[in-house]
Amino acid sequence: QVQLQESGPGLVKPSQTLSLTCTVSGGSISSGGYYWSWIRQLPGKGLECIGYSHYGGSSYYNPSLKNRVTISLDTSKNQFSLKLSSVTAADTAVYYCARPTPTGWFDPWGQGTLVTVSS
Amino acid sequence: QSALTQPRSVSGSPGQSVTISCTGTSSDVGFYNYVSWYQQHPGKAPKLMIYDVSKRPSGVPDRFSGSKSGDTASLTISGLQAEDEADYYCCSFAGSYTFVIFGGGTKLTVL
Repeated sequence: QVQLQESGPGLVKPSQTLSLTCTVSGGSISSGGYYWSWIRQLPGKGLECIGYSHYGGSSYYNPSLKNRVTISLDTSKNQFSLKLSSVTAADTAVYYCARPTPTGWFDPWGQGTLVTVSS
Repeated sequence: QSALTQPRSVSGSPGQSVTISCTGTSSDVGFYNYVSWYQQHPGKAPKLMIYDVSKRPSGVPDRFSGSKSGDTASLTISGLQAEDEADYYCCSFAGSYTFVIFGGGTKLTVL
């Protein structure tokens, strides 16, 4: 059974880069043709897909974040990461890693990690 | 693209049935049979309850069912139980440019 776990700083200063890692256990990120994604939930709000990356090289980034986002895979560590640059307070959210299918459903999810952008 | 439209809240008594609607457009819900539903308890991660409009993952009770008509998808929970009290989010595939759109979420209260 695949499990995901996010890790990274809980506090990031404005204008800096938010960096998170998702460690995958119970399966390899380079097998099965799976995609690997990041989703965030703004305080008291709904869910927003940030993007995904696939071992084969394809990727997707939310157009509203595209210029600031990079999702990359590290097969040696069975991890994938999120980098979001030039953050502002509006990027304060709970960030989840999740495994999506090509038809857009997500399972499983990590437990989520709160990232606060503040000086 | 705008979020899918869900009612802010619904409620029901134990044993009753409730239905949560999720309205999109002819470009997402109405075009693709790829609607999913997630249950989220406070402080927890979302949990997949329904995918591909009406399919249930292993382990999800058959009290949960999904359907779609036109641009509106629905999640029905029958035989309400106290543990069903949670937020529910719908999600639709929306093509290669947008990928997915989520609904704004519905808070289910079990009276």
